[in-house]
Amino acid sequence: NAGVTQTPKFRVLKTGQSMTLLCAQDMNHEYMYWYRQDPGMGLRLIHYSVGEGTTAKGEVPDGYNVSRLKKQNFLLGLESAAPSQTSVYFCASSFPRGASVGADTQYFGPGTRLTVL
Amino acid sequence: GDSVTQMEGPVTLSEEAFLTINCTYTATGYPSLFWYVQYPGEGLQLLLKATKADDKGSNKGFEATYRKETTSFHLEKGSVQVSDSAVYFCALPGGANAGKSTFGDGTTLTVKP
Repeated sequence: NAGVTQTPKFRVLKTGQSMTLLCAQDMNHEYMYWYRQDPGMGLRLIHYSVGEGTTAKGEVPDGYNVSRLKKQNFLLGLESAAPSQTSVYFCASSFPRGASVGADTQYFGPGTRLTVL
Repeated sequence: GDSVTQMEGPVTLSEEAFLTINCTYTATGYPSLFWYVQYPGEGLQLLLKATKADDKGSNKGFEATYRKETTSFHLEKGSVQVSDSAVYFCALPGGANAGKSTFGDGTTLTVKP
């Protein structure tokens, strides 16, 4: 049981380049989330998904797109990277409110450290 | 909207000292409350949680009691160890609205031998 995995672990981009971060979970969770973590800013929600084929904006969605084509995968895309997107990105997943076991508890991946030059 | 206010850090303690990290919240209704811990270079992981008022969550010697009257969920440990050095986050789940999931800013704890 791998839990939540993220690919890649590290990446350096030049301004204007694009990339996709992959998140995969094997816990059959309905909900998935993408956060960014910056010094002094805490954890901020970028986008989230409450099920396969559905996505929604979080607190800081600008400059990012997401897709949830399969229940176990949640992709985060940067179409044209900017230095302001230098951050550590975390994916998380959870069962929804009302689940019989573990409702609302989020399980996090190890993070992707992204630097945009 | 829902919010979490967490004690500012960093906090530096000697081994075997008593730890308190304060957390207060504003929320509609009575949501579950969580403490997560982030060790260096890792993602967050659940430390403990409480699902209703007066519940006490506990794990690894840490405890927190859900106080409805003071809207608080303070984290405590009677005797910290060097291995407890980490960042601690208080959190409110989004419940029916996953997009409302809210985390505190995190408190960095350093324990010195």
